[in-house]
Amino acid sequence: DTAVSQTPKYLVTQMGNDKSIKCEQNLGHDTMYWYKQDSKKFLKIMFSYNNKELIINETVPNRFSPKSPDKAHLNLHINSLELGDSAVYFCASSRSSDTAYEQYFGPGTRLTVT
Amino acid sequence: GEDVEQSLFLSVREGDSSVINCTYTDSSSTYLYWYKQEPGAGLQLLTYIFSNMDMKQDQRLTVLLNKKDKHLSLRIADTQTGDSAIYFCAERHTDKLIFGTGTRLQVFP
Repeated sequence: DTAVSQTPKYLVTQMGNDKSIKCEQNLGHDTMYWYKQDSKKFLKIMFSYNNKELIINETVPNRFSPKSPDKAHLNLHINSLELGDSAVYFCASSRSSDTAYEQYFGPGTRLTVT
Repeated sequence: GEDVEQSLFLSVREGDSSVINCTYTDSSSTYLYWYKQEPGAGLQLLTYIFSNMDMKQDQRLTVLLNKKDKHLSLRIADTQTGDSAIYFCAERHTDKLIFGTGTRLQVFP
């Protein structure tokens, strides 16, 4: 029944590794997002996809590569992980025809890079 | 600029009203939002207001918008311990949301 789900919930890994985070939504939305929340709780958008096409890419290092295999899924692959990548990553979705632009968030993936 | 500012902390007694304030910079924002984040959870949309409104009420929540001063507030009536969380305001800026710095609301008995 979960509207926006993410896996894994926790991810602990070493510097230099490559990891992926997956997101799925069952709301029938056509737009999905990745946000990063740092240790001070500051939340910033990273990417946005509409109908599997990238529409927002916010000056994120190219070690981060989002992939949207279909409208219901948006994955985030991170290469060569760095200490500064430690954060909580949130996936969200919305419907582009919704004028109020309501975004629904997943529970987050806490990434810890050691 | 795209800065959305909030005070960091607010502490209130159970049963009192809470008022969380936010200032934003983009005068062309069409919608402004309030989200709630409980510990270890994602963000939950509480309410939003269209920019041509100056007030919106939804049960215990009242949103006030002062477009001239670019000031948004969220009032929670009869605050309960379950309202303890971080509250984020956000403005819609073209195709994306710009979030505020978050206000941690602590409710004590």
